[in-house]
Amino acid sequence: LAKTTQPISMDSYEGQEVNITCSHNNIATNDYITWYQQFPSQGPRFIIQGYKTKVTNEVASLFIPADRKSSTLSLPRVSLSDTAVYYCLVGGTSYGKLTFGQGTILTVHP
Amino acid sequence: DAGVTQSPTHLIKTRGQHVTLRCSPISGHKSVSWYQQVLGQGPQFIFQYYEKEERGRGNFPDRFSARQFPNYSSELNVNALLLGDSALYLCASSLAAAGGPRETQYFGPGTRLLVL
Repeated sequence: LAKTTQPISMDSYEGQEVNITCSHNNIATNDYITWYQQFPSQGPRFIIQGYKTKVTNEVASLFIPADRKSSTLSLPRVSLSDTAVYYCLVGGTSYGKLTFGQGTILTVHP
Repeated sequence: DAGVTQSPTHLIKTRGQHVTLRCSPISGHKSVSWYQQVLGQGPQFIFQYYEKEERGRGNFPDRFSARQFPNYSSELNVNALLLGDSALYLCASSLAAAGGPRETQYFGPGTRLLVL
């Protein structure tokens, strides 16, 4: 599975747009990029998944450049409730195994 | 629709004891995976079960075991508890058996285990 690198932490303020970038230099041709969000003492929650270019849903956007060696999760107009850990995963699963890294701790300030 | 449910929510045990954690997947999901999450780290894969068979195992000692029942619910058992087993234990369900690059897993709220 491709190794991912994310910033350990980020700070933002309410109403701002937040962009979290994930590096995955050895991504394989058939790998998808998936982001999960986790609040304290809760299980991770699927946010968005993409393969190339741009994907948007009601929660976030995911930007993937042509070389697919990185991806950026964009959260528009964050609120205090977006304070969480965000995980970038690459490669889907092998027999039910998701491989999580350290994630990015996003703190949104008032 | 009910999501993944886990019980109990919290548990306190002492070293050497045994613990059983329970998980009910989303209706229609036949695959259940278990993860251990130590404070400050991402979840680490323990097991996957599909159709009552173990399909995947992570790097955990034999003290950890699991099973899946005909209704697709699952139990995780940990014997001879150690202090280092203190963690959030997460259960995730999915439709697929063998996974794949697009598989999405749905996580429960977890069971917080504290070993004293």
